[in-house]
Order: sequence, then structure tokens, then C-alpha cells
Amino acid sequence: SQTIHQWPATLVQPVGSPLSLECTVEGTSNPNLYWYRQAAGRGLQLLFYSVGIGQISSEVPQNLSASRPQDRQFILSSKKLLLSDSGFYLCAWRAGGSNYGYTFGSGTRLTVV
Amino acid sequence: KNQVEQSPQSLIILEGKNCTLQCNYTVSPFSNLRWYKQDTGRGPVSLTIMTFSENTKSNGRYTATLDADTKQSSLHITASQLSDSASYICVVSRNTGGFKTIFGAGTRLFVKA
Repeated sequence: SQTIHQWPATLVQPVGSPLSLECTVEGTSNPNLYWYRQAAGRGLQLLFYSVGIGQISSEVPQNLSASRPQDRQFILSSKKLLLSDSGFYLCAWRAGGSNYGYTFGSGTRLTVV
Repeated sequence: KNQVEQSPQSLIILEGKNCTLQCNYTVSPFSNLRWYKQDTGRGPVSLTIMTFSENTKSNGRYTATLDADTKQSSLHITASQLSDSASYICVVSRNTGGFKTIFGAGTRLFVKA
């Protein structure tokens, strides 16, 4: 069966520090991978998605970047965190386009102080 | 503009009672609509999916309805349990090229003993 792992679960980082959140998927090949951010009282905001190794699409200009070095690995990064980067980050995968449902990771609560 | 609006924002009910959550959308062209359940601090988990031709779908005590003409969906929870306390997110996908999935802000449900 397919599983998705996301870590860390919580993270407290100072302003200006770098960020690296990692997400891996098991039990499937060539998944579509996604990074979402969830703000309180608002819908999930798509940050990045990838349909293959090295293929990254950015939906929102921001202080973040994403990379997909391996088929089932998706990394969210920042060189210098801002206070506004605080939030709940979710990694997700799905087998194809919008006809398929998402499987989400357990999320990372990032607090920038 | 493609939007998904959910109501109410939050809801408090007593254990054992029924409740209904609403989702109105303006997403076009419509592909499918999913309801997700998100426990606090966790990633969302899919409950139901409905396509244009389906008007009701059940998953245990959860029953989703869809009126494609009025672009409305509801999620009915029967005989609520404490474990139903969570956010319920309506997600609508467009039937078009490219990536287009729109998330509602969710309804926060509190079930009290």
C-alpha cells in the first residue's frame, strides 16, 4: 500500500534561518507531488507541484523553493525564513490529475520567531 | 472566479446528534467534488468523491449530496461521535487542462459529550 512520510512534525526556526522540509512516498511510482500551506481559517494554498523528477511548478511567488531529486522525494526549502512563512505545511501525492484524490502527509507546523 | 465557500465556519453539536455542512462552489467546468476530514494537526483524509452524474454518496455515517445545477453540496453526519470533531473540507476540481483544484476553508466541527 502507498504511504507518505513528512517530517519534521513541528519546527521552530528564527527569522533568516534556512528551511528544509522533506516528504517521501512509498508504494507507488511517478506520483504527482504537492506542497500546500494551510493558514488558520483559510483553504489550502498550493505552493508547488511536480509531475516528475526535476519538474517543479510554482503557483505562488514567495520566499520558498521546491526540489524533486528522486521520483518519490519532494523537498521544500528556503534560504532565509520570514515571519510570514509560519504555517502548517502539507505534502501530498496523487496518482494523476484531478480525477484522483490526494493522500496527504501528517503535516509540519512551522513557527518562525 | 473559481471559488468554494463553506458554511458554517464552525459548529458545536452534542454527541449523538446529526448535522449538515454546506459547500457552494462556482468552479467551472466541474469535474468532481470531494469531502475531506482533517483532524487537528493532521493531514486531510478523503471521505467521499462525487462526479457530475452522482447526487449522493455514503461512507458509513457520512452522506454527501451534490446538486450540480445549483452547484451545492452537503455533508450530513449521522449520530455524531466525539471522534467526528475535526475540520471538514470541500474540494472541487475543474475539468480542464492543467492543475485546477480549489479547496474550501473548511467547517470546524466540535462534538461535545
